Parts: sequence; structure tokens; C-alpha cells
Amino acid sequence: EVQLVQSGAEVKKPGESLKISCKTSGYSFTSYWIGWVRQMPGKGLEWMGVIYPGDSDTRYSPSFQGQVTISADKSINTAYLQWSSLKASDTAIYFCARSDRYIYGSGNDYWGQGTLVTVSS
Amino acid sequence: QSVLTQPPSVSGAPGQRVTISCTGSSSNIGAGYDVHWYLQLPGAAPKLLIYSNTNRPSGVPDRFSGSKSGTSASLAITGLRADDEADYYCQSYDGSLSGVVFGGGTKLTVL
Repeated sequence: EVQLVQSGAEVKKPGESLKISCKTSGYSFTSYWIGWVRQMPGKGLEWMGVIYPGDSDTRYSPSFQGQVTISADKSINTAYLQWSSLKASDTAIYFCARSDRYIYGSGNDYWGQGTLVTVSS
Repeated sequence: QSVLTQPPSVSGAPGQRVTISCTGSSSNIGAGYDVHWYLQLPGAAPKLLIYSNTNRPSGVPDRFSGSKSGTSASLAITGLRADDEADYYCQSYDGSLSGVVFGGGTKLTVL
């Protein structure tokens, strides 16, 4: 069974760093892309970026380039999303999701449950 | 402002048919990139409803169908049920932005 299990909710202060995870199982981690999607409170979905763990090819939305870092550890089938200096505006739910291709794929067929990140002084 | 434009809300009575539009441009849907549709219930992760314009994943009822023409795509839901009430999002790729884009989302209310 394919599963994407994300790390738990985080409460951080502005300026702090954070790394959240998406642990996968039930499929070949290196054969699928893992993307990250932000959902701010009461708002829609925003695509942040994607990584192909097979060769670490990583692409970012222009809106998030330089703001976050996406990475993956093939040895433990886990993808990560990290911030070096959080802002209050980073408060949101973050989802990871699997896709078979970056372009011309079959959509994001499996999703993590979401990680709520709250940034407040 | 989303690159893909969806109506903020649609509604329909149980048993009726509703459609949700997703309007893009020549750099995304009009460029031939596929459109995918997702359903999101309150407090839950999105769920893939339609992929590659017209295809239903296993387990998705045939009450849900997708279409694409020119720079737009549509999701149709027939035999509306109370548990269809959710937010619906379209997704595609934009060549000018070099990235995946979502529509702003449509809230479906079952009257």
C-alpha cells in the first residue's frame, strides 16, 4: 500500500529554521517525483516545487525559489521541505504528494496528510 | 491571482448536474499540457479525481468526468450528492512559469 506520512505539527518563532518530512512506503521512492504544496489558512493550493529522488533533480515555483529548500534521502525513502528563517506568512498547511512525471504525468495520485506549520512570536 | 481561473463557487440540488470550469491560457492548457482535478474535503488532503484531462483513477465514480478544449477544461458532476460538497481544484503545467499551477479552487455547495 502506498503511503506518504508527514511529520507532526510545528509551532515556531519568526527567524527560526525548520525542516519537515514526508516518509514514503509501498512503492519505489526513486521512481516517482515528490512535490510540495502550500495551503495558507482558508486559501487554495499553491505548488511550491518538486524533487525526483532518483537523481535529486529539483524544480521550484518562481514564488518559492530561494525561500525554501526541497531535498530527499533515498536511504530512508523520505523527502523534506526546509526553511532557514521562517516568517509569520509561512503559517500554513504543507502537503507532500507523489507524481509519476513532472510534466505530462498522471497528476498527484497519493498525498500526505499535511503538516501544519504555525509561525508566531 | 491564480494562473488558472475557476469560479469561486457553484451549487446544485441533489441529483442535478454541475460543471466547474478552469480557464487558462496559451502557456498552460492551450499549450497542450494536461489538466488534473482534485477534490478536497474540509480538514483533509486533496484527492485526485480526474487525471490527464479525462481519466478517472480507480475508485472514482463515473459521475465525475473531465473535458478539455482550447485554453479551458471542465469538471462535470452528475447525480449530485450531499457528500460531493467540497472544494475542487484544477491543476496544469505552465510553460512560461516553468512550473505546476493550480486554479484558485471552487466551493461546491449541495442545496
